[in-house]
Amino acid sequence: SQKIEQNSEALNIQEGKTATLTCNYTNYSPAYLQWYRQDPGRGPVFLLLIRENEKEKRKERLKVTFDTTLKQSLFHITASQPADSATYLCALGRSGGYNKLIFGAGTRLAVHP
Amino acid sequence: DADVTQTPRNRITKTGKRIMLECSQTKGHDRMYWYRQDPGLGLRLIYYSFDVKDINKGEISDGYSVSRQAQAKFSLSLESAIPNQTALYFCATSGVPGEQFFGPGTRLTVL
Repeated sequence: SQKIEQNSEALNIQEGKTATLTCNYTNYSPAYLQWYRQDPGRGPVFLLLIRENEKEKRKERLKVTFDTTLKQSLFHITASQPADSATYLCALGRSGGYNKLIFGAGTRLAVHP
Repeated sequence: DADVTQTPRNRITKTGKRIMLECSQTKGHDRMYWYRQDPGLGLRLIYYSFDVKDINKGEISDGYSVSRQAQAKFSLSLESAIPNQTALYFCATSGVPGEQFFGPGTRLTVL
């Protein structure tokens, strides 16, 4: 069955450093991959989408890479800030009208001053 | 005002009771979804809908039903709630394939 793995352990980093989160998947051929941010008690908020034919996408301090051979995406936050502390979810989707997504369980990031 | 709203935000109920969770959106999207989130398991899709005439089961639809009353409204019902349905429930919408917009969630506790 299809599976998405994100590091279940929290990632603790120092303010100003680059945070790197990993998303690995198996038994799935996504047309695109998305990253969401979720704060405690709130709904996920969309951050970035990268398509299968794209290697890298950037948005401000965020960078996502997508390697369909390794079946892996890396999510980077440069110059991290305490306000970046949250849980980050990756989600995979296929082409087609429904835009169904399957989500990973998320990785919690804690940025310390 | 929020684009996707959910009511109630919190609900405590007893085993066997019928519960309805409601979702409304002002984004004008056709696609709407219901998810549940449990610690360590991530978001799992319960039902999804393309329009008022189109309802589809997701990964974990057993014990749940839905109604798409209008383009903007999508309700989730638990006909006879059981304790393992205790979870955080999210409604989401989507326009063209791409990002999904989530509501604030409903925390449901079944005793």
